[in-house]
Amino acid sequence: GDSVTQMEGPVTLSEEAFLTINCTYTATGYPSLFWYVQYPGEGLQLLLKATKADDKGSNKGFEATYRKETTSFHLEKGSVQVSDSAVYFCALSDSGGGADGLTFGKGTHLIIQP
Amino acid sequence: ETGVTQTPRHLVMGMTNKKSLKCEQHLGHNAMYWYKQSAKKPLELMFVYSLEERVENNSVPSRFSPECPNSSHLFLHLHTLQPEDSALYLCASSPQLPGQPDSGANVLTFGAGSRLTVL
Repeated sequence: GDSVTQMEGPVTLSEEAFLTINCTYTATGYPSLFWYVQYPGEGLQLLLKATKADDKGSNKGFEATYRKETTSFHLEKGSVQVSDSAVYFCALSDSGGGADGLTFGKGTHLIIQP
Repeated sequence: ETGVTQTPRHLVMGMTNKKSLKCEQHLGHNAMYWYKQSAKKPLELMFVYSLEERVENNSVPSRFSPECPNSSHLFLHLHTLQPEDSALYLCASSPQLPGQPDSGANVLTFGAGSRLTVL
């Protein structure tokens, strides 16, 4: 079945540091890939997505590139802020049809220190 | 009011209680979902409703009973739960119907969740 693996947290960085959160996936067919973010006390919000190989999703300074050859969708940001502290979830949606609920990773808790 | 609204935000119940979680979306979406979020585990898809019809039930115990009276409302009825059922229950909705072409690019909009504690 489909699965998503992302790096374990928490990840602690200083403000303005470079961020990478690794995500790899296993899926049949050609999935769409997503990053969701969950701020404390809130639900998940879509951060960015990519629907086919070599697509780059970007939003709020975050980027991720759909790499089919390495089955990866790593999240990056050049300079993080304290306000980026949250839990980040990598997810996929299998385009093979059926009930298209997303398959999520376990989440990576990011802590940015001033 | 816009978005996906879940009530109550927090619920504490005993194992013999019967309670319900409510989800409401004002986005005109056609599909609604229940997810369970437990610490250190991936989000677990529990139920999917497409135009008020249940299309997915991921081996969820019968002590969880969903209800979708219309495309804007989704309930999760809880009965004789166990302490291990304590978790954050997230509702989501999406504009596209599961199984349709390009539904793989479906974007889900989540509510803030209902934090359930079973004593």
